[in-house]
Amino acid sequence: DAKTTQPPSMDCAEGRAANLPCNHSTISGNEYVYWYRQIHSQGPQYIIHGLKNNETNEMASLIITEDRKSSTLILPHATLRDTAVYYCIVSPFSGNTPLVFGKGTRLSVIA
Amino acid sequence: GAVVSQHPSRVICKSGTSVKIECRSLDFQATTMFWYRQFPKQSLMLMATSNEGSKATYEQGVEKDKFLINHASLTLSTLTVTSAHPEDSSFYICSARDARRLAGGIRVTDTQYFGPGTRLTVL
Repeated sequence: DAKTTQPPSMDCAEGRAANLPCNHSTISGNEYVYWYRQIHSQGPQYIIHGLKNNETNEMASLIITEDRKSSTLILPHATLRDTAVYYCIVSPFSGNTPLVFGKGTRLSVIA
Repeated sequence: GAVVSQHPSRVICKSGTSVKIECRSLDFQATTMFWYRQFPKQSLMLMATSNEGSKATYEQGVEKDKFLINHASLTLSTLTVTSAHPEDSSFYICSARDARRLAGGIRVTDTQYFGPGTRLTVL
């Protein structure tokens, strides 16, 4: 079973920041927070991951609370092409542990 | 990021036939690959873990004799759906683990990258 809780859907105006929350209150010390997104009829796309520090790359920023029980993915300037299902997953960084997908958040970016 | 390809992207077959789906890591070696399937309006469900040079590990409820997995090289894993039936129609997605290390053995990345998926329709 997925160890994360996400809202089922969110809307965001084009050009505005999209803030996607995720609760992972049972996260273990060796587990990272990963974010993927799936655009309709495609395979999931890796976005970002982090352990306890905030992370930023060319796609997004990841803010993890100090107690690591929740995180927020931020898309700074959402575009229509960011419309997708976003998955927050906790998983160990190493080993052969597969990713377990929950239901994710369906983000709709509106013009 | 690393690139994973799948072939074919779409396949239609008759009931009772077998279908092979290929998953390739294009710019990295993957000792571990994973196979998922996704039914309409549902999330991805793990089917099996494929390790190079050894037998695959199947999730509970997945028939290993029906879904044959071969991971013969560090860049290729195949999933063969044998004696396909209409209920096997689904979106099949593979992922490959990129766990590259520097020369000193320090792990620089450990991320799973997904293929674009294969849509199987069994008539």
